[in-house]
Amino acid sequence: GAGVSQSPSNKVTEKGKDVELRCDPISGHTALYWYRQSLGQGLEFLIYFQGNSAPDKSGLPSDRFSAERTGGSVSTLTIQRTQQEDSAVYLCASSLAVVANYGYTFGSGTRLTVV
Amino acid sequence: GENVEQHPSTLSVQEGDSAVIKCTYSDSASNYFPWYKQELGKRPQLIIDIRSNVGEKKDQRIAVTLNKTAKHFSLHITETQPEDSAVYFCAASHTDKLIFGTGTRLQVFP
Repeated sequence: GAGVSQSPSNKVTEKGKDVELRCDPISGHTALYWYRQSLGQGLEFLIYFQGNSAPDKSGLPSDRFSAERTGGSVSTLTIQRTQQEDSAVYLCASSLAVVANYGYTFGSGTRLTVV
Repeated sequence: GENVEQHPSTLSVQEGDSAVIKCTYSDSASNYFPWYKQELGKRPQLIIDIRSNVGEKKDQRIAVTLNKTAKHFSLHITETQPEDSAVYFCAASHTDKLIFGTGTRLQVFP
């Protein structure tokens, strides 16, 4: 596609429910990243996928968070048993290859509100 | 862990004045330093980047400088305009991902 697509754009969920956030990267981009942006805060790294390599999960805040990338393209970020502190904008980005050479293109994000 | 510090957190300038945002990083292996602009409710967009083999880069009213010895880089915006109002994020590469600063909210008053 022309850009990085994320869905849904907004999600309101009840505390304790599971949610799935989707990211469709730019076609041909081998690297895919998830970040979290809390209100008025910076961008917190969550997880990174590069080709067929094992993902870098070092930023996931707890075992309630997981992500997968099927077929080297679309990625899904799953948050189980959501808590109010999970409320944030979840941003996905993709890159042609390693970031030091190509940089990121961000999606528009999913605004998650846990009530 | 590795981190990027960014200052100031807010910056207000008069239209036509210059604005400077400063960042420091901790990973001596960092070699790529992009700057992103995020307008209210929109996605962060790359405005300029610099690699470690370059000390300065300029694109019209925007310039970035890098001091690898001091692990310090800065964004300079000259002749600011109201449309420059946004949140600006610096970032540094760290093992194939970017570590971001906490952002600077720039307000340009007409």
